[in-house]
Amino acid sequence: QQQVKQSPQSLIVQKGGISIINCAYENTAFDYFPWYQQFPGKGPALLIAIRPDVSEKKEGRFTISFNKSAKQFSLHIMDSQPGDSATYFCAASGQTGANNLFFGTGTRLTVIP
Amino acid sequence: SAVISQKPSRDICQRGTSLTIQCQVDSQVTMMFWYRQQPGQSLTLIATANQGSEATYESGFVIDKFPISRPNLTFSTLTVSNMSPEDSSIYLCSVDANYGYTFGSGTRLTVV
Repeated sequence: QQQVKQSPQSLIVQKGGISIINCAYENTAFDYFPWYQQFPGKGPALLIAIRPDVSEKKEGRFTISFNKSAKQFSLHIMDSQPGDSATYFCAASGQTGANNLFFGTGTRLTVIP
Repeated sequence: SAVISQKPSRDICQRGTSLTIQCQVDSQVTMMFWYRQQPGQSLTLIATANQGSEATYESGFVIDKFPISRPNLTFSTLTVSNMSPEDSSIYLCSVDANYGYTFGSGTRLTVV
């Protein structure tokens, strides 16, 4: 059973546009929701993360929106750049340090110049 | 966040042989996680390794196939035993330190 559902599977965006990736979860015990960026041949790198006590977190061009009642969260990449072309994974866990991460299926983002 | 050194970065192995992957962390961590990422797929947890105790394996993964050592709080190894082409994947270790899960750069394994 997929603990975290992610969409879309792939996304093509023009340079300067907004990239939006969505995730949904079922387990209400999850309290940590990170996003990872992975380039080919590399391990996933933590991009930004949020906890359920806030509805939005912004770091530079990257924003997480979190809807606790709907059990959904999304990543918005503003002013998308060709260098953002990578695979993005959402994830969720409960009580960091004691539980592993449950990953979404990934979104391959391509930003066209 | 913690820095993980994982090696080897890649290897090509003959079927029936074994490969041991090492992860060294620059700080002490209670738990280390081992993941598998098959080509074009998401990450699947293989096992969780605590120092001084047996690793806890996820459904579909067994100790005989993926033995894990955790001799201290900064180091762990994962062995892929009796390899077959189906074991060709990227293997990653991960730790949770200072409120962020960090991953090693991965080991790309090809079994021929």
